[in-house]
Amino acid sequence: SQKIEQNSEALNIQEGKTATLTCNYTNYSPAYLQWYRQDPGRGPVFLLLIRENEKEKRKERLKVTFDTTLKQSLFHITASQPADSATYLCALPQRGGGADGLTFGKGTHLIIQP
Amino acid sequence: DTGVSQDPRHKITKRGQNVTFRCDPISEHNRLYWYRQTLGQGPEFLTYFQNEAQLEKSRLLSDRFSAERPKGSFSTLEIQRTEQGDSAMYLCASSSRTGSYEQYFGPGTRLTVT
Repeated sequence: SQKIEQNSEALNIQEGKTATLTCNYTNYSPAYLQWYRQDPGRGPVFLLLIRENEKEKRKERLKVTFDTTLKQSLFHITASQPADSATYLCALPQRGGGADGLTFGKGTHLIIQP
Repeated sequence: DTGVSQDPRHKITKRGQNVTFRCDPISEHNRLYWYRQTLGQGPEFLTYFQNEAQLEKSRLLSDRFSAERPKGSFSTLEIQRTEQGDSAMYLCASSSRTGSYEQYFGPGTRLTVT
């Protein structure tokens, strides 16, 4: 069955440093991968989508890489700020592509310490 | 505000009762998704509509669960004969017809079954 793994433990990073979060998947050949941010008690917020033919995508302080051979995506936040503290979720289309429902990882809880 | 809205935000019910939740998607979005999220887990896909057609249903959606989107606008999710294991956050998301697959989530309905 399809499986997505994210660091289950909290990640503590000092303000100003780069935070790197990992998403590994098995039994998938997804057409794209998405990253979401979720704050406590709120719905996830879309951050970035990267397609299988893209190696890297950037948006402001965010960078995502997608290695379909390793079946891994890395999510980077540069110049991290305490306001970046949240849970970050990796998501893949259930059936591989299109407007599918998404399968989410458990998320990584990121804490940026001042 | 033109984001996804959900009603109610919180629902406490006794085991065995029926509950119904409503989701209003972003107005120009033709795709609508329902997810369930429990503490410490990522959202789990339940079902997906394109316009009024229900195109995909998860095995998680037992026969006690039913969802409708009668006119291709708002959607309802009904749970009959609630069980304590149904306690969770129920999230609705919508996405656009234009080929971009990011999903926009509502704030969720937190269900507590006592």
